[in-house]
Amino acid sequence: GNSVTQMEGPVTLSEEAFLTINCTYTATGYPSLFWYVQYPGEGLQLLLKATKADDKGSNKGFEATYRKETTSFHLEKGSVQVSDSAVYFCALLYNQGGKLIFGQGTELSVKP
Amino acid sequence: GAVVSQHPSRVICKSGTSVKIECRSLDFQATTMFWYRQFPKKSLMLMATSNEGSKATYEQGVEKDKFLINHASLTLSTLTVTSAHPEDSSFYICSARDSSSGRSVNEQFFGPGTRLTVL
Repeated sequence: GNSVTQMEGPVTLSEEAFLTINCTYTATGYPSLFWYVQYPGEGLQLLLKATKADDKGSNKGFEATYRKETTSFHLEKGSVQVSDSAVYFCALLYNQGGKLIFGQGTELSVKP
Repeated sequence: GAVVSQHPSRVICKSGTSVKIECRSLDFQATTMFWYRQFPKKSLMLMATSNEGSKATYEQGVEKDKFLINHASLTLSTLTVTSAHPEDSSFYICSARDSSSGRSVNEQFFGPGTRLTVL
């Protein structure tokens, strides 16, 4: 079936460090891929998305490339800030029913 | 644009009572809304898909008589937790899909969540 696997957290980085959060997926067909961010006590905000192979989504310094050959959508940022501390969810959407399938989430903590 | 609200943001109730949570799309119409449940430090679990004017579609293992969903208008879906018990305590999040032609049909917008505590 369809599934999303993220690297386990928590991930702790110093400010200005490089960030990578791995995400791989299993899906039939050609899903759309998303990264969502959840700040403490809040709902989810869409961070970026990619709808087809080789698309690169980017927003607020974050980026991820839809790699069909490796079934991956890794999230990267060149220089993290304390304000980036949050939980990040990778998700895929397949057309049947329009349901989102979420990874388990990766908690990021950025220290000054 | 594309704002989704939830009310209440927090609710504490006694065991055995029912609690209603509202999900509203404030500036767009949503024929489809989704209800999720999130346990502490866990991912989101889809509970059901709410369709305007028709019955909700529940995911496997979710009791439809326990979690009543009503989607009476294009901007409002409600989730009622009936006869709540402490194990129903959780963070409930809704999302709404913009039905307008100008939007990607894939995009969902999330509410801020409702923290339910059952004593």
